[in-house]
Amino acid sequence: QVQLQQSGAELAKPGSSVKISCTASGYTFTSYSISWIKETPGQGLEYIGYINPGSGGTNYNEKFKGKAALTVDKSSTTAFMQLSSLTPDDSAVYYCARSVSFWGPGTMVTVSS
Amino acid sequence: DIQMTQSPSLLSASVGDRVTLNCKASQNIYQHLAWYQRKLGEAPKLLIYNVNSLQTGIPSRFSGSGSGTDFTLTISSLQPEDLATYFCQQYFSGWTFGGGTTLELK
Repeated sequence: QVQLQQSGAELAKPGSSVKISCTASGYTFTSYSISWIKETPGQGLEYIGYINPGSGGTNYNEKFKGKAALTVDKSSTTAFMQLSSLTPDDSAVYYCARSVSFWGPGTMVTVSS
Repeated sequence: DIQMTQSPSLLSASVGDRVTLNCKASQNIYQHLAWYQRKLGEAPKLLIYNVNSLQTGIPSRFSGSGSGTDFTLTISSLQPEDLATYFCQQYFSGWTFGGGTTLELK
């Protein structure tokens, strides 16, 4: 069955970067885009962007350009999202999703000094 | 950005009730509309895609309808396991999400 396994919670300092992962199984990794979504109590669900694992092509929500960088490693069927120049506003739960059909369990990122 | 507005934000209903949840897009999104169910501590689960296509494994008591800017999720006979938060999502231009409707027992 389709599974998306996400990396564990992160505690990061302001100004630093984190890289969270989303490992896919149960389907052909290169056949579906992987999207990333941010969730906060205040803003709700926000779309960050997607990556095409086959081509590596990406598309970002304007709001997250320069903040998020999406990559994949086809050999391990893993998608990554690096968040840079972290501020407390980046504290959130981050989800990966296979197209619209299946979401991972989420990774909590806390940015605090 | 396309804005998605759901109503009501909270709905009280009894087991066996027919329940209707609404979602309105700020512009025409054609058929690019999905509905998800969200239970506490769990990832969202896709129920409906392309307005009215039932995701595999989802009970037939769930159905979707609408077009353009106005959409509806209907649960024909509410079951106890349906108590959850439901949100809509447009994928016509990027993705944006409604604020959710929480179903509670009356």
